[in-house]
Amino acid sequence: GAGVSQSPRYKVAKRGQDVALRCDPISGHVSLFWYQQALGQGPEFLTYFQNEAQLDKSGLPSDRFFAERPEGSVSTLKIQRTQQEDSAVYLCASSHGTVQETQYFGPGTRLLVL
Amino acid sequence: AQSVTQLGSHVSVSEGALVLLRCNYSSSVPPYLFWYVQYPNQGLQLLLKYTSAATLVKGINGFEAEFKKSETSFHLTKPSAHMSDAAEYFCAVSPMTSGTYKYIFGTGTRLKVLA
Repeated sequence: GAGVSQSPRYKVAKRGQDVALRCDPISGHVSLFWYQQALGQGPEFLTYFQNEAQLDKSGLPSDRFFAERPEGSVSTLKIQRTQQEDSAVYLCASSHGTVQETQYFGPGTRLLVL
Repeated sequence: AQSVTQLGSHVSVSEGALVLLRCNYSSSVPPYLFWYVQYPNQGLQLLLKYTSAATLVKGINGFEAEFKKSETSFHLTKPSAHMSDAAEYFCAVSPMTSGTYKYIFGTGTRLKVLA
């Protein structure tokens, strides 16, 4: 079956613009994660959903970052009033269950804020 | 707090030589451990994972890793490097005590394979 998909793959935004990044997890996967990967760094956790419930948002760097998964499948990460330090690759991952299982990663969205 | 240290941000090996990528974790309880590979402009692909079963874990593409509790290490090895192994490799830990089961990643090691 299809893997995790993300769109857009690339996004250029002017500082102060709002952006929305989409993640389509593997069908039937309960858990969904968002990570931020800065240039030359490892991915860092942003937030976690179990179905439609956002159970952990401890990694969101500011209140400009907001994520949702209203129907327990597709998720959107929204960044309001983008800043240059938001430039990074945003990775989405999903896993089948709610315990420690392999996370399957999408190709990421590369965001560049000018 | 849980953490992962990858020694060596860049590693170069000759084609056919042994690959050794180092990973040490910090955890009061042995966690689940993972190695992922990332090719340019692609997402992370799982190489192998340790889930408290066998300490020697075999993965895809000829890679393996050994969990050593006494050394808090989970180094990745491959007996003979291939040009196609050139990529960035990430070690990650998922703490057993975490209700989120989020991954904590190391900073990555970029592997270069010399012809």
